[in-house]
This record gives sequence, C-alpha cells and structure tokens, in this order.
Amino acid sequence: GESVGLHLPTLSVQEGDNSIINCAYSNSASDYFIWYKQESGKGPQFIIDIRSNMDKRQGQRVTVLLNKTVKHLSLQIAATQPGDSAVYFCAEKKRAGANNLFFGTGTRLTVIP
Amino acid sequence: GAVVSQHPSWVICKSGTSVKIECRSLDFQATTMFWYRQFPKQSLMLMATSNEGSKATYEQGVEKDKFLINHASLTLSTLTVTSAHPEDSSFYICSAREGEVRPQHFGDGTRLSIL
Repeated sequence: GESVGLHLPTLSVQEGDNSIINCAYSNSASDYFIWYKQESGKGPQFIIDIRSNMDKRQGQRVTVLLNKTVKHLSLQIAATQPGDSAVYFCAEKKRAGANNLFFGTGTRLTVIP
Repeated sequence: GAVVSQHPSWVICKSGTSVKIECRSLDFQATTMFWYRQFPKQSLMLMATSNEGSKATYEQGVEKDKFLINHASLTLSTLTVTSAHPEDSSFYICSAREGEVRPQHFGDGTRLSIL
C-alpha cells in the first residue's frame, strides 16, 4: 500500500553535531513533501518543503534532499542545538490536486548537551 | 506570518457533553482547513478537510455526525465533538492553508479529556 515511513523512530545526537533524519515513501506519484517539527504538547511547525522537480533545498540550518529514484527524503540539521529536540515528521502530498498530506510515523530527535 | 490559533488548548468534560473547538487563521485567508487527531506517540491522522462555504469531506472511518465541522468563513473553522465519550479523548489539531500551493500551517492543538 501507499505509505510514508521513517527509517529510525529515535535519534540522539551530540549538541553541535549534524543530524540526519530519513524518510521513505512508496508513491512515485507524490509531488510535494514537507518536514514538520512537533514539540511536546504543540502542533507541528513547518520547517521546509520540496517539490518533486527538485532534489535539494536549503533553509536556515536545514537541508532537505529528495531522491526520487529510491523514493527517499532526508532532513539535515546543521550544528544541532538543544532546541532542536522534538519529533520530526515528513509529510507527503500523494497526488496532484490532493487536498491533504499523509504523515509519516515520526522520528524523535534528542540533542545531548 | 501564517499563524493558526486553536482554542481551547485543553478541555476536560463529562461523558455525554458536546465540545466545540475553534481554529482561526490570524493573518491569512484559509481557503482550506484540516482537522487531525493524534494519539500519544503516534502520527497525525487526518479526520476531515473543509473548504470555506462547503461541506467537509471526511476520511474513511470518521463519523460525520459525531465530529461536526463548520467552515463558515475564510478565517474560522470549528470542530464539535458531539456526545463525547472517553474513547474520544485525544489531541485534536487543526491546520489551514491559503490557496492550493502553499504549505499547511498548524494550530497548537486541543487536548480533550472525557471523564
């Protein structure tokens, strides 16, 4: 079936190191992907998005990479800080014109001071 | 920009009570609003999608008579959980989007506890 999943449910990194959070998707027709950060007791916060006609997009301290060949998405966080500790979700827009996003399972990132 | 406000943030009520949750887009016009439900340590599950002035589209398995959604204006959508029971206890999150190509922005959720 169609799904968006994450390779690792938890990730611990040392403060200052770079973090890489991975996500796999199975629908080759998906054309839009978003990474969200969710802190405890709060709603998801938009981090960065990428369309299927791109393979890389950079933001402030974050980079999203899209590999359509293997249906893989990753979020790289540079110089990870304690405030980056949260659950990160990738979300996939499964088809052109679809009104909703399908969320993956989530990865909990813990930054060790 | 792109702020979505959800109210209340936390509600506790007795079984059988109906509870209304509001979702407002504060600085943009939300042509589409979405309601999600999230259980502890799990992902977000879409419940319904609503376009301003239209009836909501519910996902499979979501009772439309149980979860009433109204999207009467471009800045406000409400979710009413009717005759709530303990199994309805959950974290409910709304999101809003302006147009078709912009990302969804989320409110901070409502934690609903039914005793």
